[in-house]
Amino acid sequence: GESVGLHLPTLSVQEGDNSIINCAYSNSASDYFIWYKQESGKGPQFIIDIRSNMDKRQGQRVTVLLNKTVKHLSLQIAATQPGDSAVYFCAEGLSGGYNKLIFGAGTRLAVHP
Amino acid sequence: EAGVAQSPRYKIIEKRQSVAFWCNPISGHATLYWYQQILGQGPKLLIQFQNNGVVDDSQLPKDRFSAERLKGVDSTLKIQPAKLEDSAVYLCASSSTGGRGQPQHFGDGTRLSIL
Repeated sequence: GESVGLHLPTLSVQEGDNSIINCAYSNSASDYFIWYKQESGKGPQFIIDIRSNMDKRQGQRVTVLLNKTVKHLSLQIAATQPGDSAVYFCAEGLSGGYNKLIFGAGTRLAVHP
Repeated sequence: EAGVAQSPRYKIIEKRQSVAFWCNPISGHATLYWYQQILGQGPKLLIQFQNNGVVDDSQLPKDRFSAERLKGVDSTLKIQPAKLEDSAVYLCASSSTGGRGQPQHFGDGTRLSIL
């Protein structure tokens, strides 16, 4: 299948380790943030979201941390599995408007056995 | 529930030809989005519909791109004439409402190659 993100930064981890993927966002007025996972040949898949009135949100094996002071977002994946290998995008939702999202450049996560 | 359906999956055309993509959103979703994803980049919003009305087309190259959602359900995106820089994956997404913070659910896209 097609390869998403040929020239993206890559994070390589061992199976079972924890992964941390970072994202810097640009707009101070953004108040909603989402992480998407995109496998080769597939569309982005929603993972977890967080609103700007929160610093942390947990899901199943994933945690998102938001630092509004430095405009930084991170996605933590616990006990990384081979099926987690994909490109991960953060997206910011601009305040006002109609649910418009601005996507970041993405990070490729490579999980090694 | 069935996901967002897109067709075709792949399309190869020569520059200056025209092409059309089709999208059927998740049943009941009022809001539909078309994105362009160039290889190595994140998706970029082209146009957003709320039911059958356009609410944002600020990044749509209107001299060559057009989109419609006549009955507020499925949608088509057209490029005429195509340029080499239009080579990309065209993704359709939908959300239940246009309300902020509603997760957008994506289809698997149409990969367009311009020769």
